[in-house]
Amino acid sequence: DTEVTQTPKHLVMGMTNKKSLKCEQHMGHRAMYWYKQKAKKPPELMFVYSYEKLSINESVPSRFSPECPNSSLLNLHLHALQPEDSALYLCASSLRWAQGANTEAFFGQGTRLTVV
Amino acid sequence: AQSVSQHNHHVILSEAASLELGCNYSYGGTVNLFWYVQYPGQHLQLLLKYFSGDPLVKGIKGFEAEFIKSKFSFNLRKPSVQWSDTAEYFCAVIAGSNDYKLSFGAGTTVTVRA
Repeated sequence: DTEVTQTPKHLVMGMTNKKSLKCEQHMGHRAMYWYKQKAKKPPELMFVYSYEKLSINESVPSRFSPECPNSSLLNLHLHALQPEDSALYLCASSLRWAQGANTEAFFGQGTRLTVV
Repeated sequence: AQSVSQHNHHVILSEAASLELGCNYSYGGTVNLFWYVQYPGQHLQLLLKYFSGDPLVKGIKGFEAEFIKSKFSFNLRKPSVQWSDTAEYFCAVIAGSNDYKLSFGAGTTVTVRA
């Protein structure tokens, strides 16, 4: 199983809503990532989790709140988003991070988020 | 600033033509290099990777890439493209000097005309 599964595939939410994006992998990877991708742009790193601990936060606004409940799951909690936050949110995982060289990242299909 | 640069924004070519996409990076020290492809409506897939050893690496779907350390380059090639190669191609780099973050170039849109 080399899959990273993300749910939901599509999400429309209002600016006052609270929602969560979910990501799951069963490859035994100990590093998991959230990326944001706007149309025709490269993915931009948001967060890195290593061994269930937040290792990198790329100065992401607090309306995005990541959570890693266990080694297979990664959530992104959303609250009070703005229309400009509409994008494709990608989850990825890799065997490890930092000592993390020589490892590739596997990406999920993404959640297409629209904030209205 | 440290970065990953892809020279071509949009490449249009005919089937059976050869393809070469340029990628340069500016990180010092040891790097891991990747090319990812994103077909329309699909997720990012790894085409090939370089960690160490032979600088000429072969990937899936007939793609190959050459790491030239002195030029900080990792160009992607395919001798004969097919219509199904129409996609967005991203070069990506992991560098210790960049906290081992996987950083992407801006991407190149490749359109193959039948």
